Amino acid sequence: DTGVSQDPRHKITKRGQNVTFRCDPISEHNRLYWYRQTLGQGPEFLTYFQNEAQLEKSRLLSDRFSAERPKGSFSTLEIQRTEQGDSAMYLCASSPTGQGTAYDEQYFGPGTRLTVT
Amino acid sequence: AQTVTQSQPEMSVQEAETVTLSCTYDTSESNYYLFWYKQPPSRQMILVIRQEAYKQQNATENRFSVNFQKAAKSFSLKISDSQLGDTAMYFCAFMKTRGAQKLVFGQGTRLTINP
Repeated sequence: DTGVSQDPRHKITKRGQNVTFRCDPISEHNRLYWYRQTLGQGPEFLTYFQNEAQLEKSRLLSDRFSAERPKGSFSTLEIQRTEQGDSAMYLCASSPTGQGTAYDEQYFGPGTRLTVT
Repeated sequence: AQTVTQSQPEMSVQEAETVTLSCTYDTSESNYYLFWYKQPPSRQMILVIRQEAYKQQNATENRFSVNFQKAAKSFSLKISDSQLGDTAMYFCAFMKTRGAQKLVFGQGTRLTINP
């Protein structure tokens, strides 16, 4: 197992187009997170899955954004009708379910850098 | 809501020197976790060190140590004997112990180690 992977690593799109990103978590990690990081800022939480269930969404996640995690494995994040303000690094992280522990480390992927022109 | 503030946008030190990065946070939670993450240029974020709020003892990991002041809501990172490979963005982060356990990050400090 080589860690969390994300595809593509870079995406350039024109305003108004739809884009989809994929995240493959570490196998057997039940929790999966999406964060967005704009230039010069820290990552901000977007959404979280426990297995296939999307349990929490940030107010940052407008109705143009949708995330799925079918079968509790990989996840996709889709942005419809992209805007220039969507330009950012989109980070995925996964963690194992707490098995009697209060904390589970989040392992981050390399991110997908989106540029909207 | 929790907030994390890093007041030093950039820092620069010479190799082998000691450097301290500052972080303050705000929360009404009594128990939580605090982290320092490192994000090297064009590489993925990795965990440097973790502190549980209920533990009074400051966490250490080799050359990295923290100064956790719970009453002051302060959580600084000290890097001893700094190395060129320590050059990176450093993010302070907060996590509640319950619920989604999502991370709340500060704005980051860009640390440059000069030869």
